[in-house]
Amino acid sequence: IAGITQAPTSQILAAGRRMTLRCTQDMRHNAMYWYRQDLGLGLRLIHYSNTAGTTGKGEVPDGYSVSRANTDDFPLTLASAVPSQTSVYFCASSDSGTGPTDTQYFGPGTRLTVL
Amino acid sequence: GQNIDQPTEMTATEGAIVQINCTYQTSGFNGLFWYQQHAGEAPTFLSYNVLDGLEEKGRFSSFLSRSKGYSYLLLKELQMKDSASYLCAVTDSNYQLIWGAGTKLIIKP
Repeated sequence: IAGITQAPTSQILAAGRRMTLRCTQDMRHNAMYWYRQDLGLGLRLIHYSNTAGTTGKGEVPDGYSVSRANTDDFPLTLASAVPSQTSVYFCASSDSGTGPTDTQYFGPGTRLTVL
Repeated sequence: GQNIDQPTEMTATEGAIVQINCTYQTSGFNGLFWYQQHAGEAPTFLSYNVLDGLEEKGRFSSFLSRSKGYSYLLLKELQMKDSASYLCAVTDSNYQLIWGAGTKLIIKP
């Protein structure tokens, strides 16, 4: 089934622990994105990648890192989790990342709680 | 700064029509998207406008006025399944999507 998968679905994490959220797409899209969504706020871009091998910082990159070793996978790592990183994390992908009509398609999300 | 404004919440009756407004101030403009997001689920694409005017797609229509920095999403013949949040997003000059906080639409029988 074509689309984007994310793992885990949800996670409770102790502060200070390291955590990697996984994202895989099978649509052969060039661009991938990580967002966080908090109540009352819009989706905020954490990091993005316009093509395999390149990454860029979004609006709220601090405390997060990403890698893009291949087209399909775009993991997000929290090196040392803090409670303010409690959020719902969405991975998305789009065909090019640089076109004005580029529609983003979203994964089901990961609900992360940091205690 | 960049800003997108939408009402936080709206209520409408099943079978009726509702208009959800979105105003934006962004550095450049390369198009405006509307997404639907049901509670606990991912956003899904509804519409895209880059030229002024109305785009109709079934029960949903989206309007854009670039000179006014304004868009609306019109939902006709409302159904209970339309209860969701509706997200407005603008592509800026760097082709980054700037998102509004979303409008929660509550449909009552």
